Amino acid sequence: AQSVTQLDSQVPVFEEAPVELRCNYSSSVSVYLFWYVQYPNQGLQLLLKYLSGSTLVKGINGFEAEFNKSQTSFHLRKPSVHISDTAEYFCAVSALFQKLVFGTGTRLLVSP
Amino acid sequence: ETGVTQTPRHLVMGMTNKKSLKCEQHLGHNAMYWYKQSAKKPLELMFVYSLEERVENNSVPSRFSPECPNSSHLFLHLHTLQPEDSALYLCASSPGVFGTSGSGETQYFGPGTRLLVL
Repeated sequence: AQSVTQLDSQVPVFEEAPVELRCNYSSSVSVYLFWYVQYPNQGLQLLLKYLSGSTLVKGINGFEAEFNKSQTSFHLRKPSVHISDTAEYFCAVSALFQKLVFGTGTRLLVSP
Repeated sequence: ETGVTQTPRHLVMGMTNKKSLKCEQHLGHNAMYWYKQSAKKPLELMFVYSLEERVENNSVPSRFSPECPNSSHLFLHLHTLQPEDSALYLCASSPGVFGTSGSGETQYFGPGTRLLVL
């Protein structure tokens, strides 16, 4: 079975600064990886996903993530954050015939 | 409407009430899910349906009863709930279940129903 770890429960950052949200996974088979964002009082919205191919994945709202198989990581990055990026971010992993497993989430707090 | 919709968006109920949450997906997907999201706890998968057949039931108390009449609609019937059941209930859908569709089981979520049990 897969598992995913988001070590940072909260990441404070100033507006226009770069940010990286960390995600590490554990699996014995090839994986599919996802990042979702949840704004207050809303459902989860898909930011980006890695299924196969290029290890650098670009998503919506200027976010990108890089799949690193040797380090079993899928960190999310944005070169310059906005106040509106304040939200909860969830990393998730699945595999063929395996259910989707979510991390515990990282709260991104962007301040002026 | 597009995507995944959920009604109601907010619900307050007493412990003796019976209510139902409704989810509808307009994406042509074959799988639907119920999740519970409580404050300061990880997202909990409750039920999974594939082509109207329940394929996963994660030890959820019997006071929660799911129903999937067709692949576009999913209900969660609630009765004699406890205050600890207060949470955000999220519905999701995906093309296939358990990564079988080739999309890596990409799930699309509704906005959720915020439930408060008094």
